[in-house]
Amino acid sequence: EAQVTQNPRYLITVTGKKLTVTCSQNMNHEYMSWYRQDPGLGLRQIYYSMNVEVTDKGDVPEGYKVSRKEKRNFPLILESPSPNQTSLYFCASSPGQGFYEQYFGPGTRLTVT
Amino acid sequence: GQSLEQPSEVTAVEGAIVQINCTYQTSGFYGLSWYQQHDGGAPTFLSYNALDGLEETGRFSSFLSRSDSYGYLLLQELQMKDSASYFCAVMDTGFQKLVFGTGTRLLVSP
Repeated sequence: EAQVTQNPRYLITVTGKKLTVTCSQNMNHEYMSWYRQDPGLGLRQIYYSMNVEVTDKGDVPEGYKVSRKEKRNFPLILESPSPNQTSLYFCASSPGQGFYEQYFGPGTRLTVT
Repeated sequence: GQSLEQPSEVTAVEGAIVQINCTYQTSGFYGLSWYQQHDGGAPTFLSYNALDGLEETGRFSSFLSRSDSYGYLLLQELQMKDSASYFCAVMDTGFQKLVFGTGTRLLVSP
């Protein structure tokens, strides 16, 4: 089954404790992206990657890191999480740059206390 | 940059027809997409309009008017399962990302 997977689905952590949210897709998509979703603000892009070893900042990159060492994986790293990073995070992929249909993972609900 | 405006909430009854509007301001335009998101779920793609006019996919249709910078999603024969949030989205001018509206929450009542 074609899908985007994320882990963990739920995470409660404390300020400053490094964490990684994994994202993997099995559709051989070149383009991958991370979004955060907050009430009243919609979906905002954090980082995106157009291919292996090619990543760039989205609209809200502060406090986040990403890497793209393999085509299928695009982990999101919070080196020192803060409470304002409490949010719902989605990973998405699409066949290529500029493709209007994106496939979203199930989401990761992160709470930072 | 891009900005998209949608109503925050729309209510309707089962079996009715509802229209969710989206107006956009963009420095370049390459088409309007619509996504559906149920509570607790992920956004899923519904439709895409690159050109003016109506695109129909079953009970859902999407319309675009490029001259008016306006589009809408039309849902017919509403069902309870259509209760969800609906987002319009445009591609940014660098083809690097989708920019989403803040979403319209649709509540369908019996």
